[in-house]
Amino acid sequence: ETGVTQTPRHLVMGMTNKKSLKCEQHLGHNAMYWYKQSAKKPLELMFVYSLEERVENNSVPSRFSPECPNSSHLFLHLHTLQPEDSALYLCASSQDSLAGVHEQYFGPGTRLTVT
Amino acid sequence: GQQLNQSPQSMFIQEGEDVSMNCTSSSIFNTWLWYKQDPGEGPVLLIALYKAGELTSNGRLTAQFGITRKDSFLNISASIPSDVGIYFCAGQPDSNYQLIWGAGTKLIIKP
Repeated sequence: ETGVTQTPRHLVMGMTNKKSLKCEQHLGHNAMYWYKQSAKKPLELMFVYSLEERVENNSVPSRFSPECPNSSHLFLHLHTLQPEDSALYLCASSQDSLAGVHEQYFGPGTRLTVT
Repeated sequence: GQQLNQSPQSMFIQEGEDVSMNCTSSSIFNTWLWYKQDPGEGPVLLIALYKAGELTSNGRLTAQFGITRKDSFLNISASIPSDVGIYFCAGQPDSNYQLIWGAGTKLIIKP
């Protein structure tokens, strides 16, 4: 099984739909991340979970709702999205260490299109 | 907020050429990471740097953590077609979870 998997790989949804993105890591890490990647822009960190607790929430609109039921799984629940939310959504994981080093390993992403 | 300037934005190179790209910051970082992203995939970690002045290689790739702790360089020697993609630098300013990302350098091989 590859390190970090994401499903679905592609998603098209209307603005009134509700959908969820799923991420699973098989690396034994204890921190997981959601990023948004838009064309020609740096990656934008959305949420960070460490030991299943949310530790970062970078002013993300409430139409994005994360869930981390255990250290291997991370979800991003989507509802009433806007067309500008269309992007590649990347999940990553890392080992949270006292040294504070966070080499992050990424999944392949979910390409989201909001119509 | 903190920003990283990554340059160049894109590079057209001939197969076999050496490639250099860099990232600079106005503030100090404790860690520098270099990633490569292929179309339709997530970024893949290439090299991680932890100390000022550190020089680390991964095959034909070599990266350096600048002495001032405000910059980092990535070199690719003897480029091959599979080197095409977008290369990102990321810096970790302190022990929190936030990585600061560059906007990427797109590497294109001239036909």
